[in-house]
Amino acid sequence: QVQLQEWGAGLLKPSETLSLTCAVSGGSLSGFHWVWIRQPPGKGLEWIGQISDSGTTDYNPSLKSRVSISVDMSKSQFSLQLTSVAAADTAVYYCARADCGPYCIYHFYYMDVWGKGTTVTVSS
Amino acid sequence: EIVLTQSPGSLSLSPGERVTLSCRASQTISARYLGWYQQKPGQAPRLLIYGSFNRAIGIPDRFSGRGSGTDFTLIISRLEPEDFAVYYCHQYGKSPRTFGQGTKVEVK
Repeated sequence: QVQLQEWGAGLLKPSETLSLTCAVSGGSLSGFHWVWIRQPPGKGLEWIGQISDSGTTDYNPSLKSRVSISVDMSKSQFSLQLTSVAAADTAVYYCARADCGPYCIYHFYYMDVWGKGTTVTVSS
Repeated sequence: EIVLTQSPGSLSLSPGERVTLSCRASQTISARYLGWYQQKPGQAPRLLIYGSFNRAIGIPDRFSGRGSGTDFTLIISRLEPEDFAVYYCHQYGKSPRTFGQGTKVEVK
């Protein structure tokens, strides 16, 4: 059974860089996309971006200038970096696996396995 | 960007009742890339439905999805105590992927 676990610094100061890693256990990274999502306190879900197993990335335009997602197949993990953080970046950050199921020919990938989430607070 | 608007924002129901949740897209989308998630307090979202009507592994058959074009629906045929949660629709076919704002199903 595939499990995902996020880890990284939980408290940052404004202008610092957020760095999170998601460790994948119980399954391969091959054949899937790997996603970061966040949820500000009391609010809804925001897709940050994702990376394919071949390293192709897709980012939310609202964050594109500050975000970078990478994958390390040898370590079975993928990572998120978000530069120049501000209070508005305070959120629970989730990593997730995205599968294509019966829709692989269309390249439609839905998130089927999620990590438990890690809280990141930006405060001076 | 595809905006997903869910309605109602919240509703109060009793166990055993039937629930119909709506998700309207700002433009026509393929049913193949519309999904539904359930989120309970302090937990990560859980995939319920993908491709508008396909139940994810382990999801009971009281959950069903349907829809096409711009209008999609999640139906819970008979509410169980563990179904009280927030439900999000999600489109994963066009970038940026987007979520609805959520519908909270509360105990009456």
